[in-house]
Amino acid sequence: DQQVKQNSPSLSVQEGRISILNCDYTNSMFDYFLWYKKYPAEGPTFLISISSIKDKNEDGRFTVFLNKSAKHLSLHIVPSQPGDSAVYFCAASAHYGGSQGNLIFGKGTKLSVKP
Amino acid sequence: DAGVTQSPTHLIKTRGQQVTLRCSPKSGHDTVSWYQQALGQGPQFIFQYYEEEERQRGNFPDRFSGHQFPNYSSELNVNALLLGDSALYLCASRYTGNTEAFFGQGTRLTVV
Repeated sequence: DQQVKQNSPSLSVQEGRISILNCDYTNSMFDYFLWYKKYPAEGPTFLISISSIKDKNEDGRFTVFLNKSAKHLSLHIVPSQPGDSAVYFCAASAHYGGSQGNLIFGKGTKLSVKP
Repeated sequence: DAGVTQSPTHLIKTRGQQVTLRCSPKSGHDTVSWYQQALGQGPQFIFQYYEEEERQRGNFPDRFSGHQFPNYSSELNVNALLLGDSALYLCASRYTGNTEAFFGQGTRLTVV
């Protein structure tokens, strides 16, 4: 049973427009959420994170929103650029034994930004 | 400052063989985790090492084992390789007080 779900395998947007990537989770013990970007033949690159005590975190063109009651988070990229084309993974973790536990990943969403 | 480095980048092994993958964490990081990423899937947690001990383990058989050395580097060993072990193996490191993990480029293992 998947605890972190990214229901859209792919997303295509026009350069300059907003990209919205969605993620749902089922485990209410998750208290930290992260987004990673992955290019082919490379490891995932950390993008942005959010603690469960917040509902929004912003870093440049990237904003993550968390809706705890809906167990839903989203990543907004504004404006989208062709270099943003990659697979985006949502990940979640919970505290375990006094420290942050391992990451549980979704299956990813492939973003294509067209010039 | 070197990030997380993994070796080798690619590896081909025969079914039944054993393999060792290596990881050097980012400078200042003391916690190392290993993940397996199959094609079209997200990374799946294998295990985590801190202070040279396995602290957490995912749902993987005991054919998968690991080690962390005093310099925080780590190895992942897989015995009795199966065709289904073919995947990208990712190492991630972090400082134990932080949550953001940084990944290496991965080792692509192909079992034939």
